[in-house]
Amino acid sequence: EAGVTQFPSHSVIEKGQTVTLRCDPISGHDNLYWYRRVMGKEIKFLLHFVKESKQDESGMPNNRFLAERTGGTYSTLKVQPAELEDSGVYFCASSQFSEQYFGPGTRLTVT
Amino acid sequence: AQSVTQLGSHVSVSEGALVLLRCNYSSSVPPYLFWYVQYPNQGLQLLLKYTTGATLVKGINGFEAEFKKSETSFHLTKPSAHMSDAAEYFCAVRRDSNYQLIWGAGTKLIIKP
Repeated sequence: EAGVTQFPSHSVIEKGQTVTLRCDPISGHDNLYWYRRVMGKEIKFLLHFVKESKQDESGMPNNRFLAERTGGTYSTLKVQPAELEDSGVYFCASSQFSEQYFGPGTRLTVT
Repeated sequence: AQSVTQLGSHVSVSEGALVLLRCNYSSSVPPYLFWYVQYPNQGLQLLLKYTTGATLVKGINGFEAEFKKSETSFHLTKPSAHMSDAAEYFCAVRRDSNYQLIWGAGTKLIIKP
């Protein structure tokens, strides 16, 4: 069974540019989560989808971040325009019950 | 608000020695508790979890953790460290009513030969 995949693994962009991160959950998992770890800090929750609906987006830092999950399958997280403080590792996870399975993360560097 | 505290950003032990990584949480209701591990250049992998039932939980790679409600702790232990255990370890808590995980800051485990 394929695990959670994320693309790209690493992205380097300039301040003001746009970046889109993608997450493909484990097939059949209704729940999809985005988390972020800024360097040196703890991992923080961003948002939670149940199928295609946003269940909880209380962790989204501001309106420069837009997450979508069309059709309840893969999800994208767009940052537009990117700022220096957006640098970090973005993790995606999926679950059907209590255990969340994580992808390898996307390391975003904003210069 | 819930929070998770991991004591020590770095812990160094000798190969073969006991591993003890500390985790304390604050929660007004019984939580679900998790330990995840991130090996270099890899994603987060679940080591073990406590939901209900037995308070001593065994996980993968010889790790175990004990839920102590009176101490609000969920410390991770392994009797004998291997070089392959070198990684970053994260403690996390989840409320039953909310699926999001609240994370500790992580502890990097260093194994000395």
